[in-house]
Amino acid sequence: SQQGEEDPQALSIQEGENATMNCSYKTSINNLQWYRQNSGRGLVHLILIRSNEREKHSGRLRVTLDTSKKSSSLLITASRAADTASYFCATSPGGGQGAQKLVFGQGTRLTINP
Amino acid sequence: GAGVSQSPSNKVTEKGKDVELRCDPISGHTALYWYRQSLGQGLEFLIYFQGNSAPDKSGLPSDRFSAERTGGSVSTLTIQRTQQEDSAVYLCASSFFTGGVGNQPQHFGDGTRLSIL
Repeated sequence: SQQGEEDPQALSIQEGENATMNCSYKTSINNLQWYRQNSGRGLVHLILIRSNEREKHSGRLRVTLDTSKKSSSLLITASRAADTASYFCATSPGGGQGAQKLVFGQGTRLTINP
Repeated sequence: GAGVSQSPSNKVTEKGKDVELRCDPISGHTALYWYRQSLGQGLEFLIYFQGNSAPDKSGLPSDRFSAERTGGSVSTLTIQRTQQEDSAVYLCASSFFTGGVGNQPQHFGDGTRLSIL
């Protein structure tokens, strides 16, 4: 079953605006990762945040994690047309066996309008 | 090559035929994963290999699906007696192994788009 659920399913904004995507999950996690997928391509890893971290930055990306609410957000600042893609959160469930698996959400389709 | 390579990139076949999909992981990555992605959907885990350990096959949807990894490198995913519901993009990923905790990013190939007529 899918653990992560992204919100919204689709987001369309103007170039230069900020884009925020949310992810909720159900069980305890070791870490949470965000990936980007351009149309017809594989997924590209963006950022990994561990369960004991609350916020992480990478360039124009900012990820937050609230384990008490079992949620994460991905903020892309000063969006560009090239940011148009689908964005997925993926959780690594807590525990030993199976901890290598990533459980992906359904994704948020982001469109940046020039 | 520098990235994960999958072949073929596209495969069209008739219902009932067998298909074989190939994945070349990044050199040095001991963990290899297969996922399935239906149109507009997220990724569905299929199978995971790590070194010489027994693979985690818990995601394979039926006994028509099988996968091998030879020499700890190249992997093949085989679907026997294909059905129309098998149509999807099959993605392979590889990563370093971190001893039981999934703290490594996965590196994906561009997938094989499988269409069953």
